[in-house]
Amino acid sequence: GDSVTQTEGQVALSEEDFLTIHCNYSASGYPALFWYVQYPGEGPQFLFRASRDKEKGSSRGFEATYDKGTTSFHLRKASVQESDSAVYYCALGITGNTGKLIFGLGTTLQVQP
Amino acid sequence: NSKVIQTPRYLVKGQGQKAKMRCIPEKGHPVVFWYQQNKNNEFKFLINFQNQEVLQQIDMTEKRFSAECPSNSPCSLEIQSSEAGDSALYLCASSYRDWGGQNTLYFGAGTRLSVL
Repeated sequence: GDSVTQTEGQVALSEEDFLTIHCNYSASGYPALFWYVQYPGEGPQFLFRASRDKEKGSSRGFEATYDKGTTSFHLRKASVQESDSAVYYCALGITGNTGKLIFGLGTTLQVQP
Repeated sequence: NSKVIQTPRYLVKGQGQKAKMRCIPEKGHPVVFWYQQNKNNEFKFLINFQNQEVLQQIDMTEKRFSAECPSNSPCSLEIQSSEAGDSALYLCASSYRDWGGQNTLYFGAGTRLSVL
């Protein structure tokens, strides 16, 4: 079935480090791909999305490129800050699936000052 | 800040009690979703509506869970008889209707249910 697999568990970095969180998907058809971020005590916030092969999404210094060949949508940021500490979710939306999104299990980013 | 408003933020119930939570979607969004997020951060889709009509729901929702989105009133999700396993964060989200089905969902802050 349709699914999303992302970097498991926690990623611990220092400020100004480069971030990569891997996201791979399995889907029939041509899904849209999303990144969300969730801070403690809040609901998930939409970061950005991409709907076509090679399309790049970006927001707040984060970016990811839709790669149909490798079925991936890896999240990257060149220089993380302590305020980026949160849980990041990759999600996919399937055409004709009533609009619901399928989420990965989340990756916790901890950035030390 | 989220424009999807969920109330209450916290809900504590005993086993067998009813638990009801409400959601006001973002203005202009006809589609409303309910998800359950457990302590392992897993998202479970429960049900979605377009205006007042159910688009899709899972089996769990059909048994102890009931939900509605009446016209001109908040949407609601109610658990008829709470169980310990229902303890979770219940997230409401809304979106435009993308006929391709690839909607961007905008979430509220959630209602955290604890069943003692």
